[in-house]
Amino acid sequence: KNEVEQSPQNLTAQEGEFITINCSYSVGISALHWLQQHPGGGIVSLFMLSSGKKKHGRLIATINIQEKHSSLHITASHPRDSAVYICALQGAQKLVFGQGTRLTINP
Amino acid sequence: GAGVSQTPSNKVTEKGKYVELRCDPISGHTALYWYRQSLGQGPEFLIYFQGTGAADDSGLPNDRFFAVRPEGSVSTLKIQRTERGDSAVYLCASSPGGMSGYTFGSGTRLTVV
Repeated sequence: KNEVEQSPQNLTAQEGEFITINCSYSVGISALHWLQQHPGGGIVSLFMLSSGKKKHGRLIATINIQEKHSSLHITASHPRDSAVYICALQGAQKLVFGQGTRLTINP
Repeated sequence: GAGVSQTPSNKVTEKGKYVELRCDPISGHTALYWYRQSLGQGPEFLIYFQGTGAADDSGLPNDRFFAVRPEGSVSTLKIQRTERGDSAVYLCASSPGGMSGYTFGSGTRLTVV
């Protein structure tokens, strides 16, 4: 069983819709990261969470440490939000990555 | 520099050849990580440096893979006798350490033909 599971694997939505991507994990962590990867591009760090909730623009990330679950929300989605969103667990040293959620926002 | 720089951005090599991939981290970042990402997968850990030493190399798949960071700054990932299965995007990230975030490079896309 993978230490980190993301759902859904693929998500297609219309511009303007509210988007939720989920991440569940099974190990103890010091922090959880949400990352964005565009096709052919590098990885951009969106959030690093150890508790509660963070907001940046239209992006919101939450984490429930007791339930070992995190969500990434995008409000008023836009085609430029189309990318792969990756949840990564931070242990003592290295990151353990989920497989990613491929998000496509259609105009 | 302003970000993590990886060179080359693309590398095509023949099976059996030797390749070197370079990572230039953010100045002052003591921690440096190498990850490998195959198509449609999340990145997989290869090796982590703290300063000049490899603190964790448990992700290196076999002894054809080796990485160095001789002066605690630039790192080179070396792959001997490349195989087609080595084809992937090799990502480098650096961090100041502790609970600080990570900055990723744009990756090197390696294709072994």
